[in-house]
Amino acid sequence: DVKVTQSSRYLVKRTGEKVFLECVQDMDHENMFWYRQDPGLGLRLIYFSYDVKMKEKGDIPEGYSVSREKKERFSLILESASTNQTSMYLCASSFRGNYGYTFGSGTRLTVV
Amino acid sequence: GQQVMQIPQYQHVQEGEDFTTYCNSSTTLSNIQWYKQRPGGHPVFLIQLVKSGEVKKQKRLTFQFGEAKKNSSLHITATQTTDVGTYFCAGVLIYNQGGKLIFGQGTELSVKP
Repeated sequence: DVKVTQSSRYLVKRTGEKVFLECVQDMDHENMFWYRQDPGLGLRLIYFSYDVKMKEKGDIPEGYSVSREKKERFSLILESASTNQTSMYLCASSFRGNYGYTFGSGTRLTVV
Repeated sequence: GQQVMQIPQYQHVQEGEDFTTYCNSSTTLSNIQWYKQRPGGHPVFLIQLVKSGEVKKQKRLTFQFGEAKKNSSLHITATQTTDVGTYFCAGVLIYNQGGKLIFGQGTELSVKP
């Protein structure tokens, strides 16, 4: 069963902490994405990557960075967590080109 | 900013009634995809439409892509409680070479038994 795995389902962090969200896919997908989902705002793209060591900013990259050292792994980093980064974070992957995305189960991050 | 608009935001129906959600883009789309997210779950890919005027069916679900490739709709016939969830459209802009999806804000469907 192919899947996208996110390291944590729930996470609570303190303001100012550096937070790492990990995402691993086993489908040999080239593309990987990080979204955040908030009520009434839908899915907003934070960062994406089309290949190893490649990254591109999405619509809301401020306060975030990413790392893709291996094809199967895409990490989202909150350099200094703030309360407005409390959200559901969803990782997704897809083959290059126009293919459907496979999403992970999400990480609900609370910053206190 | 948001370039794919989806309406309505919420829809409450009685079981057995039909349901439709609409998706509109300000620019021409290369293709459009539809996803379903159950309460507490994550978005799951349903289908992709590529051709102008394309219509696809999955059991009680009918998906349409407009002639101008700027709008799309999802119609559910005779809703069931298992249809509950949020339905998202997501489009790839015609000039986007990377296949990056632009998601609509979703339509949350509730079904009263």
